[in-house]
Amino acid sequence: TQLLEQSPQFLSIQEGENLTVYCNSSSVFSSLQWYRQEPGEGPVLLVTVVTGGEVKKLKRLTFQFGDARKDSSLHITAAQPGDTGLYLCAGSTSYDKVIFGPGTSLSVIP
Amino acid sequence: DAGVIQSPRHEVTEMGQEVTLRCKPISGHDYLFWYRQTMMRGLELLIYFNNNVPIDDSGMPEDRFSAKMPNASFSTLKIQPSEPRDSAVYFCASSLGDSSYNEQFFGPGTRLTVL
Repeated sequence: TQLLEQSPQFLSIQEGENLTVYCNSSSVFSSLQWYRQEPGEGPVLLVTVVTGGEVKKLKRLTFQFGDARKDSSLHITAAQPGDTGLYLCAGSTSYDKVIFGPGTSLSVIP
Repeated sequence: DAGVIQSPRHEVTEMGQEVTLRCKPISGHDYLFWYRQTMMRGLELLIYFNNNVPIDDSGMPEDRFSAKMPNASFSTLKIQPSEPRDSAVYFCASSLGDSSYNEQFFGPGTRLTVL
């Protein structure tokens, strides 16, 4: 059974700080996604990474897929209160459906 | 397109009652997913459909839960009888595929409280 782990589980930081959250698995994923979920809403896709070592940038967010395609990181530069939310990673192997990690709950304090 | 539509947004019921949650996926999406989200267990996949046919229901917790998709534009998740431990937010999502190459579009969720 493939599992995705995320760390940290909770993170509270001041506006303007940088942060990194992680997504890890013992399985090799054919692709991996990051979603953000704001309170009272459903998750919304931020990015999909498909190649080992791939780096994608979305404004102040930088996503990296590990070389072995077993892990990923999300780095936020100069965090803002609007970044507050639950960050979920999701992946699938070449033979199975998508699974979601437990999420990192981020709170950015003004 | 209005996105994935779920109803009701909130449901409060008493233990033992039947609960029916409804979902309208995005037109043209062949895949429909039902998830349950709690603080303790996170986002759990309950069941998903491809072209109205259930593909994987291994996440359905027990026989009290059932899901149907009578046509491409409508699905229901039913709990009968409901129990307090079923309290959670239930999400419906639709997609063009079932791998993480494909974006899942989530509805706003139904917050269920069973007293």
